[in-house]
Amino acid sequence: DAKTTQPTSMDCAEGRAANLPCNHSTISGNEYVYWYRQIHSQGPQYIIHGLKNNETNEMASLIITEDRKSSTLILPHATLRDTAVYYCIVRVNYGQNFVFGPGTRLSVLP
Amino acid sequence: DAGITQSPRHKVTETGTPVTLRCHQTENHRYMYWYRQDPGHGLRLIHYSYGVKDTDKGEVSDGYSVSRSKTEDFLLTLESATSSQTSVYFCAIGQATFSGANVLTFGAGSRLTVL
Repeated sequence: DAKTTQPTSMDCAEGRAANLPCNHSTISGNEYVYWYRQIHSQGPQYIIHGLKNNETNEMASLIITEDRKSSTLILPHATLRDTAVYYCIVRVNYGQNFVFGPGTRLSVLP
Repeated sequence: DAGITQSPRHKVTETGTPVTLRCHQTENHRYMYWYRQDPGHGLRLIHYSYGVKDTDKGEVSDGYSVSRSKTEDFLLTLESATSSQTSVYFCAIGQATFSGANVLTFGAGSRLTVL
């Protein structure tokens, strides 16, 4: 099964870049990596996804290694409102089961 | 907001009673999902649907059933609620992107307490 490994928690100073790593060494060849975040007890919110190339949108950038075994989500200028749990997820066996692990709890500090 | 509404948002019930949670969408998406979230487990897939009357099991489907008689509604039923089903339940819809990815949009959640 495709699974991901993320640090349990990270701190980041407000205004600095937050770099959240994820290992997904068993990802299948054509599967995307997706990033979501969950603020307090709200529903998870989609951030970005990627396959092979680096991606950027208005929320974040995603850097995927050439061997696709790991990726890094970058929040370029973290704010207090970015404090949340960040999930790096992949699908299992091309099915509909998007596996959400415990994620990384990011605390943005003033 | 992809127009997803979950109801009820909060419910307290007793062991052995039936419970139905409703997920309603307004944008005609084909894929709909039910997840539960518990401390230490992240989100776990219960059931999903890929069309009207087309559903399949996820990794934690025991004790749950689902129905989808209309595109816009996906119902999750606990036939006889147990305390282990105390959880926060999230509904999601899946939206395909031009690149072939499937992006999930989640509802606000339904907090169920089984006493």
